[in-house]
Amino acid sequence: SQKIEQNSEALNIQEGKTATLTCNYTNYSPAYLQWYRQDPGRGPVFLLLIRENEKEKRKERLKVTFDTTLKQSLFHITASQPADSATYLCALDSGNTGKLIFGQGTTLQVKP
Amino acid sequence: DAGITQSPRHKVTETGTPVTLRCHQTENHRYMYWYRQDPGHGLRLIHYSYGVKDTDKGEVSDGYSVSRSKTEDFLLTLESATSSQTSVYFCAISESRTGENSPLHFGNGTRLTVT
Repeated sequence: SQKIEQNSEALNIQEGKTATLTCNYTNYSPAYLQWYRQDPGRGPVFLLLIRENEKEKRKERLKVTFDTTLKQSLFHITASQPADSATYLCALDSGNTGKLIFGQGTTLQVKP
Repeated sequence: DAGITQSPRHKVTETGTPVTLRCHQTENHRYMYWYRQDPGHGLRLIHYSYGVKDTDKGEVSDGYSVSRSKTEDFLLTLESATSSQTSVYFCAISESRTGENSPLHFGNGTRLTVT
């Protein structure tokens, strides 16, 4: 069956460290993968999109990698800050349908 | 924030009653979506629209219907609400079909409780 898996356990890190979140998928062949941030009581906000032919994408302190062989995307936040505390969702297209399928999200807590 | 307004923001209703949630956008985007978000399941697509009067089902469409009579409005109706439809409902929009450099922009959700 098709699955998108993100670590359901919260990730707790110290301010200034690099946070690494994982998104694994099975039985999909996505052309791209997206990452979103969601704060409590708010809708998700788009952060980054990476295509299947791109190994890595960067935006300020954010970096996303996409390994279609491992069927995995890693999302890194360098020099993390308490303001980065949120839930991060990965999403991919289920077979070029235009419909985005979301993982359950990983909650990141950055402690000062 | 993209110009997306969901109403109401909170609603409590009884089992068996019909409920309509509204999504209004000011971005003139062609595509609109309804998702529900539940603990343990994440965001799941209910229905989406690719133009006025053009809609299609998502993965959890049973018990829901939608209508889009104007570009800016997308309505989600629970025909006869059940407790399993207690959830947070998010509307989203995109300029073109998602994936073509067109991410989703979400509203802030409607929290629906069915008692």
